[in-house]
Amino acid sequence: AQKVTQAQTEISVVEKEDVTLDCVYETRDTTYYLFWYKQPPSGELVFLIRRNSFDEQNEISGRYSWNFQKSTSSFNFTITASQVVDSAVYFCALSAPMDSSYKLIFGSGTRLLVRP
Amino acid sequence: DVKVTQSSRYLVKRTGEKVFLECVQDMDHENMFWYRQDPGLGLRLIYFSYDVKMKEKGDIPEGYSVSREKKERFSLILESASTNQTSMYLCASVHRSSTYEQYFGPGTRLTVT
Repeated sequence: AQKVTQAQTEISVVEKEDVTLDCVYETRDTTYYLFWYKQPPSGELVFLIRRNSFDEQNEISGRYSWNFQKSTSSFNFTITASQVVDSAVYFCALSAPMDSSYKLIFGSGTRLLVRP
Repeated sequence: DVKVTQSSRYLVKRTGEKVFLECVQDMDHENMFWYRQDPGLGLRLIYFSYDVKMKEKGDIPEGYSVSREKKERFSLILESASTNQTSMYLCASVHRSSTYEQYFGPGTRLTVT
């Protein structure tokens, strides 16, 4: 069975602090994709990153960085020098290419509040 | 840019009413999905479709049905709305040859009273 766990329900930080959102996944597939989506107050999910299971390189995009570790089945997301505009709900998700439905399995989300 | 649109942002219906939620995508995507989002539960898959007139149940299909008469349009139907169907409903689509990135609509917040 596939499962994604985001243990942090809500995180509150002060602007300019660094914050890490945790994501742990379970799958028996050897080939899979991992995703992070952002849901701002407007409601629409915004794609942030996709990582395939064969690429364990960490990725950095501006203030965002992702740490993928197959050994611990984790795909954590760090925001450096957080800003108020980062306040949103963040979802981690998993998909398996062998599943022809292309469906995503989502975690329960982490609500991030960045205070001025 | 891919665009996924949903017919309403907010909807209020009475218990027992038949409710239609419409989703349209403009990028010729084969697969389309309906999710519902509830606090603490994340997004859960209700139904998906991989072709016109084809549909598959997701994880929580009870109380819902779907229709896909045209490739660009995927409708979610609540045959007899109940209060426990009050939720945010999100539609998504994906191109089958892509790397699984789904594109989402803005969501419909449905309240059943």
